[in-house]
Amino acid sequence: KAGVTQTPRYLIKTRGQQVTLSCSPISGHRSVSWYQQTPGQGLQFLFEYFSETQRNKGNFPGRFSGRQFSNSRSEMNVSTLELGDSALYLCASSFGAAYGYTFGSGTRLTVV
Amino acid sequence: GQQLNQSPQSMFIQEGEDVSMNCTSSSIFNTWLWYKQDPGEGPVLLIALYKAGELTSNGRLTAQFGITRKDSFLNISASIPSDVGIYFCAGLAGANSKLTFGKGITLSVRP
Repeated sequence: KAGVTQTPRYLIKTRGQQVTLSCSPISGHRSVSWYQQTPGQGLQFLFEYFSETQRNKGNFPGRFSGRQFSNSRSEMNVSTLELGDSALYLCASSFGAAYGYTFGSGTRLTVV
Repeated sequence: GQQLNQSPQSMFIQEGEDVSMNCTSSSIFNTWLWYKQDPGEGPVLLIALYKAGELTSNGRLTAQFGITRKDSFLNISASIPSDVGIYFCAGLAGANSKLTFGKGITLSVRP
């Protein structure tokens, strides 16, 4: 079966711009979580959506937002990009916590 | 907030050796997960643990859920070059809680 698909794989943006990343979960998975990964900070939790509702939120500024659609696909948006937003953004989907989380390959965002 | 501690940051072993990594927390977790990440890819689930004291194997990998529910360890036996990567532990406090990750251990295997 198809895994978690994240698009695009690579993205270069200029400081001040905004960006939207997409995640298509495994079919049947209703939970989608987003993480930011940087060399110094590891995997930092951004937010989790379940059935179109934000269920958990990490400690990121309001410039980071997300949403989930009725087909469980999710998008995250970062407005007013800063250089420090350069990172690998990972999405993970799950059928339920007891079944573990499956990650996509990530979107590598570079802000210049 | 909840934090998972993994150390050291890097480990270097010889091919064929066994290696053990542990993960500790000041909080209780009800589920422990171990992931491996290869360069340029997302983490891949290796082993999931759901009960205190549980010992689970997946090929050359063995992981245990600590009795106190505040720690877990992962053992890799007879290491091979493809074991190279970053190993993360992750914990879930409850069914609807967020997944918390450790900072990972980078494993290098010398041939």
